Amino acid sequence: GAVVSQHPSRVICKSGTSVKIECRSLDFQATTMFWYRQFPKKSLMLMATSNEGSKATYEQGVEKDKFLINHASLTLSTLTVTSAHPEDSSFYICSASLPGSGNTIYFGEGSWLTVV
Amino acid sequence: ELKVEQNPLFLSMQEGKNYTIYCNYSTTSDRLYWYRQDPGKSLESLFVLLSNGAVKQEGRLMASLDTKARLSTLHITAAVHDLSATYFCAGTDSWGKFQFGAGTQVVVTP
Repeated sequence: GAVVSQHPSRVICKSGTSVKIECRSLDFQATTMFWYRQFPKKSLMLMATSNEGSKATYEQGVEKDKFLINHASLTLSTLTVTSAHPEDSSFYICSASLPGSGNTIYFGEGSWLTVV
Repeated sequence: ELKVEQNPLFLSMQEGKNYTIYCNYSTTSDRLYWYRQDPGKSLESLFVLLSNGAVKQEGRLMASLDTKARLSTLHITAAVHDLSATYFCAGTDSWGKFQFGAGTQVVVTP
């Protein structure tokens, strides 16, 4: 079964609204999770590193006020796309490292966001 | 800054033949990862290579790492249709952040 779970898998929202994507580590605690964005037929782009109990670290060029990340517990990180616009439509993927797995990073199932 | 380059970006394979995907990286990377992505899906972990000379095999896929050459390869033996997917390599920089290659789209035809 999935080690890292994302929800929702697909979401459509109207321009100007906000949408929240959840990333949960199942049966293990993840002090650090990562959020990525992927455009069609492109590679993954790291958006931010989500740290439990502290502020997320954003990559250069990523608007932290636009993409709000909250890592409120050791098993949950959320990405909120605020005031969404059509150009925010993308595939968003989170990841976490499973302790004791030999440095294996597991990725969530991904969330397709379409802003109309 | 770690840069990861994959080639080729597209690979048309004939069933039964062997192929190799190359992954070069620019600076020291603690480890090298290989992932598979099917259309519309997330990433599936294939291999984690931790040290120079590491070789891992799973079914028709074999990955190797040469840290001196800063090169990892993913070798596909006797390609089959089920291997059609996009394959990504990724390294981690000194802060533990992932840097992905551009991906290699593999299409296996009869």
